[in-house]
Amino acid sequence: QKEVEQDPGPLSVPEGAIVSLNCTYSNSAFQYFMWYRQYSRKGPELLMYTYSSGNKEDGRFTAQVDKSSKYISLFIRDSQPSDSATYLCAMSGNAGNMLTFGGGTRLMVKP
Amino acid sequence: DAGVIQSPRHEVTEMGQEVTLRCKPISGHDYLFWYRQTMMRGLELLIYFNNNVPIDDSGMPEDRFSAKMPNASFSTLKIQPSEPRDSAVYFCASSGGGVRTDTQYFGPGTRLTVL
Repeated sequence: QKEVEQDPGPLSVPEGAIVSLNCTYSNSAFQYFMWYRQYSRKGPELLMYTYSSGNKEDGRFTAQVDKSSKYISLFIRDSQPSDSATYLCAMSGNAGNMLTFGGGTRLMVKP
Repeated sequence: DAGVIQSPRHEVTEMGQEVTLRCKPISGHDYLFWYRQTMMRGLELLIYFNNNVPIDDSGMPEDRFSAKMPNASFSTLKIQPSEPRDSAVYFCASSGGGVRTDTQYFGPGTRLTVL
């Protein structure tokens, strides 16, 4: 079993929909949680960064962390075709040096 | 800011040949990471450096792979001899400079095809 599990998709939604992307993990030492967005043939770019449990909002994006359930989510409101990409969750422990990535979920937002 | 620079962007080689991938991290960053991405295995950390010193190379698949960082602005990942199963996208990332090291900035990647 992988340390971080993520549904690979693809997830196809119409423009304007609310998108929910999720990851589960097994290592209780993870304290820092991130979402990276990766466009086709590009490197991943950091989208959201959260520490411990709770919510964080940035524009149309909301990240949620539930450490008791070992479950994190990324919500995208009013999704746009430009949001079409692969979304990777990533986590790190106290040392903060090494990231463990999920396999990524491919999202397609159709006009 | 130029971001992380990788070269070449694409590499096609034949089995048994030596392959060298290059990376220039963001100026001021003191951590450098090499990753490999495939459809089957996702994004895997191969090795990372701190202040030019290799800290953890446990992700390096086998002795055919080696990485160096001779100075703060340059790193190489070498595969010798290359095999078809090494075909993947190789990313370099850097972090640090006062920011948490898990805030990593990725380069555009090198797409390697070994025939």
